[in-house]
Amino acid sequence: DQQVKQNSPSLSVQEGRISILNCDYTNSMFDYFLWYKKYPAEGPTFLISISSIKDKNEDGRFTVFLNKSAKHLSLHIVPSQPGDSAVYFCAAILTSGTYKYIFGTGTRLKVLA
Amino acid sequence: DAGITQSPRHKVTETGTPVTLRCHQTENHRYMYWYRQDPGHGLRLIHYSYGVKDTDKGEVSDGYSVSRSKTEDFLLTLESATSSQTSVYFCAISQGDGNTIYFGEGSWLTVV
Repeated sequence: DQQVKQNSPSLSVQEGRISILNCDYTNSMFDYFLWYKKYPAEGPTFLISISSIKDKNEDGRFTVFLNKSAKHLSLHIVPSQPGDSAVYFCAAILTSGTYKYIFGTGTRLKVLA
Repeated sequence: DAGITQSPRHKVTETGTPVTLRCHQTENHRYMYWYRQDPGHGLRLIHYSYGVKDTDKGEVSDGYSVSRSKTEDFLLTLESATSSQTSVYFCAISQGDGNTIYFGEGSWLTVV
């Protein structure tokens, strides 16, 4: 049972435009969410996170939105750059529980120059 | 970069042989994790540890065992490797206070 889902395996966006990556979760007890970026042959690296007490967190070109009622979060990248081309994973955790970080299946973003 | 070292980084082994992957951290983080990454499945948690000698199962623990005798080391063992365990394995660490999780560079395992 996949508790964290990324339903779009891939996404292509023109350089300079907005990239929107989506993530859905099923466990309403999750209270902290993270996005990771992964380049080939490297480990995932942290990008941005959001607590369930917020609905938006912004860091430069990256913004994460959380809709708790819909159990949905999204990552917006504006403007998209060719260096953003990577696989993006969302993750969820129950911070009062066992600290098991559950990851989604990933979305491969390709930013076209 | 978080101080996480995985070894070996690449290994080819035969079906039925035991394999141990090692994760070493220099950050003194309480939590350590083993994930595997496979196409179409993303990152799946195999086992994790919340302290020395304290471990628990993740989403895909069958066929794997772990041990943590020291804070800095977390070992993943495939007792009898199968072709379905061909994958990229990532170790990760966390302070366990809701902060981020940091990943190692990965270990590529091929079971032939």
